[in-house]
Amino acid sequence: NAGVTQTPKFQVLKTGQSMTLQCAQDMNHNSMYWYRQDPGMGLRLIYYSASEGTTDKGEVPNGYNVSRLNKREFSLRLESAAPSQTSVYFCASSGDRTRSSYNSPLHFGNGTRLTVT
Amino acid sequence: DAKTTQPPSMDCAEGRAANLPCNHSTISGNEYVYWYRQIHSQGPQYIIHGLKNNETNEMASLIITEDRKSSTLILPHATLRDTAVYYCIVREDFGNEKLTFGTGTRLTIIP
Repeated sequence: NAGVTQTPKFQVLKTGQSMTLQCAQDMNHNSMYWYRQDPGMGLRLIYYSASEGTTDKGEVPNGYNVSRLNKREFSLRLESAAPSQTSVYFCASSGDRTRSSYNSPLHFGNGTRLTVT
Repeated sequence: DAKTTQPPSMDCAEGRAANLPCNHSTISGNEYVYWYRQIHSQGPQYIIHGLKNNETNEMASLIITEDRKSSTLILPHATLRDTAVYYCIVREDFGNEKLTFGTGTRLTIIP
């Protein structure tokens, strides 16, 4: 049981290049998230997907797009990378948050370390 | 959404109980308190959560005050592997998936 898998683990981009960060979960979770973490700071939510077919903006969505390809996969795309997007990116998933199961913890991947030069 | 306040850093001697406080004075009635930790550069790891009652699992105990305005995470017998940044989070209302992580408490276990 792999949990949440992120690829790649490391990436270096030049300013203006594009790339897609991949995330997959095998826990049959409905909700998936993308966070970024900058040095000395907490995690900030970029985008999330409450269920397959839906996506919503988080705290810092500018410069990013997402795709919920299916229930398992949630990708994050940088169309034109900027040095300000140098960060560690974490994907997470959680189970249903119905009124009877309100308390579903997030499960995180081990991150993608992105450097934009 | 309710915000949390945590001390930026704490030390604890190995083998002793580590008590990590969190203030969440604006918490609303249906919001849970969650604790996560992040060891070095790994992804955050879920520890425990609760609504109003104290909770215990194999990793830790969570004590929530009666007015729910604050809580304490207790690691009963801290080991060097418990050195990490600990995040206290309040989960927003049902139907809103946003989750806000602050800067947490950096806990250092001292040999």
